[in-house]
Formats: sequence, structure tokens, C-alpha cells
Amino acid sequence: DQQVKQNSPSLSVQEGRISILNCDYTNSMFDYFLWYKKYPAEGPTFLISISSIKDKNEDGRFTVFLNKSAKHLSLHIVPSQPGDSAVYFCALQSGSARQLTFGSGTQLTVLP
Amino acid sequence: DAGVTQSPTHLIKTRGQQVTLRCSPKSGHDTVSWYQQALGQGPQFIFQYYEEEERQRGNFPDRFSGHQFPNYSSELNVNALLLGDSALYLCASSSGQGFNEQFFGPGTRLTVL
Repeated sequence: DQQVKQNSPSLSVQEGRISILNCDYTNSMFDYFLWYKKYPAEGPTFLISISSIKDKNEDGRFTVFLNKSAKHLSLHIVPSQPGDSAVYFCALQSGSARQLTFGSGTQLTVLP
Repeated sequence: DAGVTQSPTHLIKTRGQQVTLRCSPKSGHDTVSWYQQALGQGPQFIFQYYEEEERQRGNFPDRFSGHQFPNYSSELNVNALLLGDSALYLCASSSGQGFNEQFFGPGTRLTVL
């Protein structure tokens, strides 16, 4: 059973416009919600996080929104830049080991 | 400051063989987690080591085992390799309680023929 779903395998956006990446989850046990970015031949890099007690967190061009009632997480990137082109994973944290449960990823392509 | 390092970068094995992957955590980190990323999927949690003990385990068979050394580095061992074990194996290090950012290494690409 997939606890975390990213239903869009890919997304293309024009440079300067907004990119919106989405993530849905089924279990309420998660207490932190994270976004990671991954370039080819590199490990995932932490981007931004939000605690379950908040509904929005902003860091520069990146904003994460959490809708707990809908069990939905989104990442907004504005303005999008070509260097943002990468695979984006949502990752939900839980348990005593703080282990991460990842979605399957969304390939973002920002077109110049 | 070196980040998380993993070795080897790539590995090719045949079915039934055994493999050992290695990970050195980021300086100052005492906790190492291992993840398996199959093609087209997100990483899946295998297990975590802290104070040289396995603290938590994901849904993986006991063919997958690990070890953590006093210097916090870690090994992942996989016995009786199956074709389905072909994947990118990622090591992540972290420190502390509560929310903690996990720093990932570049991974080891294992191919089982």
C-alpha cells in the first residue's frame, strides 16, 4: 500500500512562472513533512520542511503548504528557474527513528 | 567538511552472491539510515543504526543486514542477491532527536545479473 503519492510523474513550467508540486498521504501518523530535490548521480538534497502543527512555511522562492484535513502537501516555487529542473520528492517523517517515507517523485523541467 | 560518502559508486553482482556497501556519515552525525531506491520509485527505508545498534527497520527481509562502527560509519550487507535487489542504495546521516534533516550520500548503484 502506498502511503505517500505523487500523482504527477512530470511537470513542465516556463521560466519565471510558478511551479506547483503535489503530494497526498493516507496516514495521520506523520509529524514532519519535507521536500527533497534530486539531480542525476547525486543523493537527494533537503529543500524545505513543515511541522504538522503548521499550514505554511516559506523560504525564499519556496513555500510548502500543508492541508491536514485533506492529507495534502504542496510545494510552490516562484519564480521558477532553469536550475530548479530536478526530481522532487515529498518525504514524510515519523517514528522513533525519524525515518522518511517518500513519494515516487515528480520530474520538474523549467523551460528557458 | 566532507558530506556523506558512499562506496563503491557502482557494483555488478550475480544472483546468489553477497554484497557489502559502505557509508561514512557527515562530520558530527551519529545516526545512519539506509534506503533502497528502485528505478522510477522513491527511496524506501531499510533500517537505521544509532550507537552501533539497529534502532528501526523497514519492511525488508533479513537478507538485508547492517553494522555501525564506533566511528559512526556503517555497512549494508545483502545476502543471496535477487534480480529485484538491483537498485540505488542511499545512505543518510543525521543527528539529534525530534525533527532532524537527513543528509544523503550520492548512493551506490547495484546491478544484479
